[in-house]
Amino acid sequence: GQSLEQPSEVTAVEGAIVQINCTYQTSGFYGLSWYQQHDGGAPTFLSYNGLDGLEETGRFSSFLSRSDSYGYLLLQELQMKDSASYFCAVRDTPPDDWGKLQFGAGTQVVVTP
Amino acid sequence: DTGVSQDPRHKITKRGQNVTFRCDPISEHNRLYWYRQTLGQGPEFLTYFQNEAQLEKSRLLSDRFSAERPKGSFSTLEIQRTEQGDSAMYLCASSLVDPSVAQYFGPGTRLTVT
Repeated sequence: GQSLEQPSEVTAVEGAIVQINCTYQTSGFYGLSWYQQHDGGAPTFLSYNGLDGLEETGRFSSFLSRSDSYGYLLLQELQMKDSASYFCAVRDTPPDDWGKLQFGAGTQVVVTP
Repeated sequence: DTGVSQDPRHKITKRGQNVTFRCDPISEHNRLYWYRQTLGQGPEFLTYFQNEAQLEKSRLLSDRFSAERPKGSFSTLEIQRTEQGDSAMYLCASSLVDPSVAQYFGPGTRLTVT
């Protein structure tokens, strides 16, 4: 079957660094995306890794290892506004035929003062 | 860029009734997606369109669900004979064809079936 595994919750203090891991087992793989969703809000795109390595976007970085079927999202210099759910999502079809994302269950990040 | 909009934001209906939701994507986006999200879970793919063509439909989508995008712009999702298990947040997203890595989500329609 197909699955994405990520921790259900992570708690950290303001200013800290948090790493959210995502392991996946899918029939096809063409890339890993990360989305942020605040309570009651819409998912918002954060980053995408199509190749192995690290992608950095401001305080957020995302990493992919295709050989390990593993990726992570790194949140640095945590702020209270980073309290939200974070989802990893797999593209499992080629880019020219790609239609859907397969999402994990999400990781609730709680930032405390 | 006004973003993706969805209407209504909330819908309460009795079991057995039909409901229809509307999604207006970002204007230059060719692709439009429908997802369903329940509490504590990630969005689940339902179906997607490229322009007016429906290219894929999830096995999750029973015959009671139908989606259209008649002119390649807005889309509607209809659920017939609603069941309590249909209660969820229905999310619409849109993207460009190239690049297509980022999907832009609307605020969702929360459906409650009583």
